[in-house]
Amino acid sequence: EIVLTQSPGTVSLSPGERATLSCRASQTISSSYLAWYQHAPGQAPRLLMYGTSNRATGIPDRFSGSWSRTDFTLTISRLEPEDFAVYFCHHYGSSPAFGQGTKVEI
Amino acid sequence: EVQLVQSGAEVKKPGESLKISCKGSGYTFSNYWIGWVRQTPGKGLEWMGIIYPGDSETRYSPSFQGQVIISVDKSNSTAYLQWSSLKASDTAIYYCARVGVTGVNGLAWFDPWGQGTLVTVSS
Repeated sequence: EIVLTQSPGTVSLSPGERATLSCRASQTISSSYLAWYQHAPGQAPRLLMYGTSNRATGIPDRFSGSWSRTDFTLTISRLEPEDFAVYFCHHYGSSPAFGQGTKVEI
Repeated sequence: EVQLVQSGAEVKKPGESLKISCKGSGYTFSNYWIGWVRQTPGKGLEWMGIIYPGDSETRYSPSFQGQVIISVDKSNSTAYLQWSSLKASDTAIYYCARVGVTGVNGLAWFDPWGQGTLVTVSS
């Protein structure tokens, strides 16, 4: 069973600042099978990144994804007001799992 | 526009049965796997299972196998999640989501997601 652990649980930032969100896998997983989503209150989750570093359609380039071994990172280079939400990672390989989420708050 | 629209919130008593729905539009429903995801405050998001509308092949997470049934009516472009006997611990928001691409045997990201269905089980 693959467990994804996200950190921090909550991060407080201001518009214009950089956000760095972490998702650590309990074992080695392929970077091809890692996605990130944004979940704003009252809305459906929205796909941001797939295959770790591929932006989904319509996602601005201030969002980027990277990885090193079992550590995956979502970076928001300059926070816009609409970016304050919960972000969660998702392994969609043979043992699917979600991270528990990171809340980005103002 | 590709869209998944879920049925409305439900309030049920323990032991009751329930079937919630997820209707797809804007794409060829039969060609894309549909998944169900549970969200609770305590456990966050949990992958429940997926179904391929083309042939109704279904895969369950071991945690949900035998606890729920995932089904589909491709003639109505609708997927379902059902319980035969609800428990208080089934209280959660349930999301359906489409696997983002075809031809990957269900192993891909979810895009888009439905708006979620709140299920409350309380005596």
